[in-house]
Amino acid sequence: DGGITQSPKYLFRKEGQNVTLSCEQNLNHDAMYWYRQDPGQGLRLIYYSQIVNDFQKGDIAEGYSVSREKKESFPLTVTSAQKNPTAFYLCASSIHPISMDTEAFFGQGTRLTVV
Amino acid sequence: DQQVKQNSPSLSVQEGRISILNCDYTNSMFDYFLWYKKYPAEGPTFLISISSIKDKNEDGRFTVFLNKSAKHLSLHIVPSQPGDSAVYFCAASAGGNYGQNFVFGPGTRLSVLP
Repeated sequence: DGGITQSPKYLFRKEGQNVTLSCEQNLNHDAMYWYRQDPGQGLRLIYYSQIVNDFQKGDIAEGYSVSREKKESFPLTVTSAQKNPTAFYLCASSIHPISMDTEAFFGQGTRLTVV
Repeated sequence: DQQVKQNSPSLSVQEGRISILNCDYTNSMFDYFLWYKKYPAEGPTFLISISSIKDKNEDGRFTVFLNKSAKHLSLHIVPSQPGDSAVYFCAASAGGNYGQNFVFGPGTRLSVLP
């Protein structure tokens, strides 16, 4: 079955620690995205990648880092520099960068809580 | 300041009636709009889209209306079914269908009552 998988579903970390969220897709999609959602707000773009070995900052990239060494994987690291990391994180992929409608898929999300 | 607003956090509708979900935006440069649906414990899935050259797009029970002068978008579901109960997100882009350009609203939770 093709799809996009985020793990883990829930993650707890101590303040000051870096943490990496996993996002894997086996859809052969070129483009991948990371979003953050806070209560009462829409999804905000953290980073996106249009192709392997390339990624770009989104609207709220500060305190985050990503890599795109493989087409199927786009891990997001929440660093200790992110001032308010507790949030719901969603990963998405689309077959190519210009297709967020019928050919875009989202993962189930990871809820990160920093204590 | 949110560029895409969904001012009703929740909406309840009786089965068989019409559901109307609203979305307002502030950026007059937005030219492509999407609606996504999200069930609990699942990722959002694409529902319907509309470009700014149209004012209506229909797909089965779902119709999206675009009023550019009012900067307002609405999603109509007719007739509503219990399986439509979900959170609905509106998203808008000022650069066509490029994924990185989309701005998402906070969502409206629709409950369709049997």
